[in-house]
Amino acid sequence: DVKVTQSSRYLVKRTGEKVFLECVQDMDHENMFWYRQDPGLGLRLIYFSYDVKMKEKGDIPEGYSVSREKKERFSLILESASTNQTSMYLCASSLWGSSSYEQYFGPGTRLTVT
Amino acid sequence: QKEVEQDPGPLSVPEGAIVSLNCTYSNSAFQYFMWYRQYSRKGPELLMYTYSSGNKEDGRFTAQVDKSSKYISLFIRDSQPSDSATYLCAMTITSGTYKYIFGTGTRLKVLA
Repeated sequence: DVKVTQSSRYLVKRTGEKVFLECVQDMDHENMFWYRQDPGLGLRLIYFSYDVKMKEKGDIPEGYSVSREKKERFSLILESASTNQTSMYLCASSLWGSSSYEQYFGPGTRLTVT
Repeated sequence: QKEVEQDPGPLSVPEGAIVSLNCTYSNSAFQYFMWYRQYSRKGPELLMYTYSSGNKEDGRFTAQVDKSSKYISLFIRDSQPSDSATYLCAMTITSGTYKYIFGTGTRLKVLA
C-alpha cells in the first residue's frame, strides 16, 4: 500500500511566523504535490516537484516555497504566515508512466494562523 | 466554464440504494480518471482509477468512462452509512503536464 504521511495533523501558528510542513512518501514516486483545500474552492495546487531539487509553481504559489532534497520528502514552507493561509494542506505523490498515473494523498494538515 | 463539473449535492439515499455520482469535463485530452472518497477533516482516499474508456469494477464500486460524451460516473451498490463522505473526481492528460484537475466534490449521505 502506498503511504503518504504528513508531519502534523493540526497546527496553530501566529501571523508572521515561518511554517514548515513536511511530507514523506514510501513508494519511490517521482512526483510530489502540495495542495490546499478550502470550502467552496476545492483543491488548489500550490507547487509540485517531478524530481529531486526540481519544482514547478502551481496555481497559487504566492506566499509559499518548497524544498525537495530527497526523493521521498517534499516540504512546504510558508515564509511569513498570514491569516488567509489558514486552510487544510494536502500532500500527494504519484508515479508517472507505464499506464500508472494515479495520485495518492496524505491525511492532511489543518493549519490555523491567528 | 470549469474544466470539470461535479454536482455538489448533498445527495441523500437510503441504506442499500445504488448511488450514481457523476462528473462532466470539457477537455477531450483527458485520458486518466480517478475517484476519491474524502471523510470530513481527512485526506482524499483513492477509490478507483481507469485509463481511457470503459468500465472497471472493484467490489461494490464501478467506475465508468464515456469519452465520447466527456462523462465519468462512479456507481456504489448496496450503499452503507459508512459510505457517507464527499466524493471527488479527478483526471489528467498524461503527457506534457503533471497536473491533475479535480471536481469540487459531491457530498453523499447514506441514511440508516
